[in-house]
Amino acid sequence: AQKITQTQPGMFVQEKEAVTLDCTYDTSDPSYGLFWYKQPSSGEMIFLIYQGSYDQQNATEGRYSLNFQKARKSANLVISASQLGDSAMYFCAMRENYNAGGTSYGKLTFGQGTILTVHP
Amino acid sequence: ETGVTQSPTHLIKTRGQQVTLRCSSQSGHNTVSWYQQALGQGPQFIFQYYREEENGRGNFPPRFSGLQFPNYSSELNVNALELDDSALYLCASSGRQGAVADTQYFGPGTRLTVL
Repeated sequence: AQKITQTQPGMFVQEKEAVTLDCTYDTSDPSYGLFWYKQPSSGEMIFLIYQGSYDQQNATEGRYSLNFQKARKSANLVISASQLGDSAMYFCAMRENYNAGGTSYGKLTFGQGTILTVHP
Repeated sequence: ETGVTQSPTHLIKTRGQQVTLRCSSQSGHNTVSWYQQALGQGPQFIFQYYREEENGRGNFPPRFSGLQFPNYSSELNVNALELDDSALYLCASSGRQGAVADTQYFGPGTRLTVL
């Protein structure tokens, strides 16, 4: 099973409108972190927002908020008041801790991404 | 505060050659992770370095190797390049190794083309 699923290959939104990008995840670990990143055409991965599995409240960062529904294993990103500069690829990622040879490490597992296009 | 930097920006190699990619971590960060991103895909974890030791590895063959230096900068080496190695290579640094809230901050990437 895919650990991170982003079912929307592409989304379109009008400038100044809100848009929701979907993300579902799969894990049996009770402790995990969920992240959203933005990747413009330049290639750099820009961190947007983080939600921990034990966090009681949904995370918010400026125009970004995360609609976290733990029982449904979903972590949708909401962008309010879309701007032309929001046009980019958006990735949902999950961090779990792994143990290997007596040490632990964390890696990010990414979804396939959603291309967001903001129309003027 | 200096962000994550990577060099070179672009690289063209031929099949069978070897390549070294470099990454400088963000100030105060002691962990570096490397990811490979094929065109149209999400990044895939290659390995992670913490305090100069590889402490985690993804599903990549041994010809992918790395180093981390005392200043926490890192190198990714790929031997015997194959056409499928063509990708964007992303380096990420973080400073709270072991915590699920450990945010990884990415560099601009190195785009490798193998001909």
